[in-house]
Amino acid sequence: GESVGLHLPTLSVQEGDNSIINCAYSNSASDYFIWYKQESGKGPQFIIDIRSNMDKRQGQRVTVLLNKTVKHLSLQIAATQPGDSAVYFCAENRWETPLVFGKGTRLSVIA
Amino acid sequence: DTAVSQTPKYLVTQMGNDKSIKCEQNLGHDTMYWYKQDSKKFLKIMFSYNNKELIINETVPNRFSPKSPDKAHLNLHINSLELGDSAVYFCASSQELLRTRASYGYTFGSGTRLTVV
Repeated sequence: GESVGLHLPTLSVQEGDNSIINCAYSNSASDYFIWYKQESGKGPQFIIDIRSNMDKRQGQRVTVLLNKTVKHLSLQIAATQPGDSAVYFCAENRWETPLVFGKGTRLSVIA
Repeated sequence: DTAVSQTPKYLVTQMGNDKSIKCEQNLGHDTMYWYKQDSKKFLKIMFSYNNKELIINETVPNRFSPKSPDKAHLNLHINSLELGDSAVYFCASSQELLRTRASYGYTFGSGTRLTVV
């Protein structure tokens, strides 16, 4: 399930199920988006990116969907594995500005 | 060989002290950044340097002073540390000036956890 408020939103999924992590971005001028994965004690790591001229992009077991109309981004992870447990961030970018990160969602995989 | 390395990994210090965090990247990138991650995991840009020149300073107190001796290094010096400075500080680099045309975004270091007591 999900919990929000003072704590980081958490998504708990069973191993083998698909995960969907959502993100609302803030700036309609942003035209490049990245999903990052941050494991405990490590820095964020690139997962997948998408440019604003695309609605969908697929990688290995991951898919990113972009809905510019409602400024929404989602990350789908197929057949979630214990190694997918981490905090996931979306980040948005527009020309000549640094990456701006969203709030993060903790994915917890139940074996 | 670590792409972006930060030292130290952990730093515990008393209020009022001055401390430095070092960052080095061996990727040949032109741009480096400092991000601060608070206890709620929120990541916020602090500084950006391109070829040793300061490009962005995002409303960071003057107690924080970044220094880039060459484009492979970006150090962060903090004066008169306060309790609110406790956080994890991440260094990152990217190939081009701010705009991540390369398809892998920024490369981050593993972070420095600063605890001010």
